Amino acid sequence: GNSVTQMEGPVTLSEEAFLTINCTYTATGYPSLFWYVQYPGEGLQLLLKATKADDKGSNKGFEATYRKETTSFHLEKGSVQVSDSAVYFCALSARGGSNYKLTFGKGTLLTVNP
Amino acid sequence: GAVVSQHPSRVICKSGTSVKIECRSLDFQATTMFWYRQFPKQSLMLMATSNEGSKATYEQGVEKDKFLINHASLTLSTLTVTSAHPEDSSFYICSAALAGGGGELFFGEGSRLTVL
Repeated sequence: GNSVTQMEGPVTLSEEAFLTINCTYTATGYPSLFWYVQYPGEGLQLLLKATKADDKGSNKGFEATYRKETTSFHLEKGSVQVSDSAVYFCALSARGGSNYKLTFGKGTLLTVNP
Repeated sequence: GAVVSQHPSRVICKSGTSVKIECRSLDFQATTMFWYRQFPKQSLMLMATSNEGSKATYEQGVEKDKFLINHASLTLSTLTVTSAHPEDSSFYICSAALAGGGGELFFGEGSRLTVL
């Protein structure tokens, strides 16, 4: 079956530090890959996505590249801000099935200190 | 953007009682809604897919008589945890797909259920 493994948190960084949150996946076929973010007290929001190999998703300074050879979709940001403090979820949806049905990683809590 | 609201955000109940959680799409119509369950430090686990006007499709291992899902309108789905027990304590999250929206999901804030 499909699965997503992302790095255990919590991750604590100082403002302007470089961020990487690792995500690897197992899936049959060629899934679409997503990063969702959940700010305190809010629902999950789509942060970025990539639908095929070598695609790069980007939004709000965050980037992730769909790497088929390493089955990875690591999230990066060059300079984090306090407002980036949130829980980040990596997810996939398997191609050929419902585009909506997502398999999530466990989530990584990021705390950015001023 | 599209907003999905869950109610209540927190509920505490006694063992053996039933609890209903509502999921509403506030400014769009959602033909499909999804219910997830999240244990501490665990992934969101899809419980069921709820389609307006039809029976919900449950994931393997999810008891449909335990977790009753109703999607009576294009803006409302409800999850009822029947005869709740302490092991049902969890964080329940719903999401909604925008009709014709190309697959993007919008999530509610989640509902924390504690069964004493």
